Amino acid sequence: GENVEQHPSTLSVQEGDSAVIKCTYSDSASNYFPWYKQELGKRPQLIIDIRSNVGEKKDQRIAVTLNKTAKHFSLHITETQPEDSAVYFCAASVGANSKLTFGKGITLSVRP
Amino acid sequence: DTGVSQNPRHKITKRGQNVTFRCDPISEHNRLYWYRQTLGQGPEFLTYFQNEAQLEKSRLLSDRFSAERPKGSFSTLEIQRTEQGDSAMYLCASSLVRGILVNTEAFFGQGTRLTVV
Repeated sequence: GENVEQHPSTLSVQEGDSAVIKCTYSDSASNYFPWYKQELGKRPQLIIDIRSNVGEKKDQRIAVTLNKTAKHFSLHITETQPEDSAVYFCAASVGANSKLTFGKGITLSVRP
Repeated sequence: DTGVSQNPRHKITKRGQNVTFRCDPISEHNRLYWYRQTLGQGPEFLTYFQNEAQLEKSRLLSDRFSAERPKGSFSTLEIQRTEQGDSAMYLCASSLVRGILVNTEAFFGQGTRLTVV
C-alpha cells in the first residue's frame, strides 16, 4: 500500500520568511496530492491540492510542486504570518475521491 | 453550520464497553469516510461509503469495529468491547463524486475524541 513520509516533524520560521515542507510517497499509481492544515483542536482543512498531470499549482501565498519521477511533492508558503502556525499534513491517493494516505504531519511555528 | 457534523464531540468510556459515533455529512455528498487520528500522527483511513455501500475497509478495522450508512445519509461507527488502544480522535469526512465533472475535495468534521479508561 501507499506510504507517505514527511520530514522534519517541526519547522520554525521568522514571520515574513518562506517555509517549505516536503513529502515523499511510495505508490507510483497515486495521482492526487492534497495538503491539509489542522489548527489545535480543529478539523483538518484542505489548503491546496495537486493532480499528477501538473507540476505546480499556486494560490496566493501558497504553492505546491510535484515531482512524479522522484515521488515527492512540496508545500511552499511565502511571507509567513503567525496565523500560518499549525500542523500541516500531506496526503496521497489514487483518484481524488479515494482513501487518503496521510503523512505524520509537520508542526509549523511562525515567530512574530 | 452546513459542514460535516459529528456527535458526540467527546466520549469517555470504560474498557469493555461499546460505543457508537455518528457522522452527518454535507447534504448531497455521496461519499463518506472514517479516519482515526492518534496524537502526533496523521489521520489513518478506516473505511468509506459510496451512498449506502461500504466500498473499502482498512485492515485497521478489526472485527470489533463496524460502520453503517443505512440510507446513504448519516453514518455510524460502532466499537465493541473497547480497549485502551482504541483511544483516539475519530474523524469523518464527506465528498461529492458525480462522474468526471463533479468531484469535490474531502471535507472533514471536527471529530469525536474517544478516551477508554
